Amino acid sequence: NAGVTQTPKFRILKIGQSMTLQCTQDMNHNYMYWYRQDPGMGLKLIYYSVGAGITDKGEVPNGYNVSRSTTEDFPLRLELAAPSQTSVYFCASSKQMTGLGGNTIYFGEGSWLTVV
Amino acid sequence: SQKIEQNSEALNIQEGKTATLTCNYTNYSPAYLQWYRQDPGRGPVFLLLIRENEKEKRKERLKVTFDTTLKQSLFHITASQPADSATYLCALEDNAGNMLTFGGGTRLMVKP
Repeated sequence: NAGVTQTPKFRILKIGQSMTLQCTQDMNHNYMYWYRQDPGMGLKLIYYSVGAGITDKGEVPNGYNVSRSTTEDFPLRLELAAPSQTSVYFCASSKQMTGLGGNTIYFGEGSWLTVV
Repeated sequence: SQKIEQNSEALNIQEGKTATLTCNYTNYSPAYLQWYRQDPGRGPVFLLLIRENEKEKRKERLKVTFDTTLKQSLFHITASQPADSATYLCALEDNAGNMLTFGGGTRLMVKP
């Protein structure tokens, strides 16, 4: 039972480079999310998706893009990486939308990204 | 502005004692409050959920209280064990249907 799987686990990027963080879930969840977590800070929502073909911005979307072509996959793209994007990124999914009644989120193991 | 506050300083306790972690919030009308556990290098894992009309929820050695008057939730671990050492995050869903919002977490260290 894999749950939510993220790759890569670790990556170092140079300023201005681009990359894609991959995320896939095998729980047939419609709702998927990307968060970033900085030391001592709460998880900040970057983007979310309510189903294939539908995405929306979260609290901190600038510098990122997402797509949702299938129920299982929700990749996060970083364009023109900046040092401010150094962070830990978590992909997550839920059966129902959070904010609609006590639905819990299942997280991946995280991707550590350093921009130098 | 909306704010969720958890003690950023680590809580150090002796094995066998009860650990109590605090989650305070301002400018929220939460409908649900959730607690997650996060181990170093891992993603958060859901522990407990409590609704606004519930005062207390228990699961094995875990107990959560929710006081909407004080705007506070307390998370208790009784008979704590070194394996309970982790960071604990609280998260709120408000009545406006907004997305789940997380606090910064409190690190718990249980010493043998």
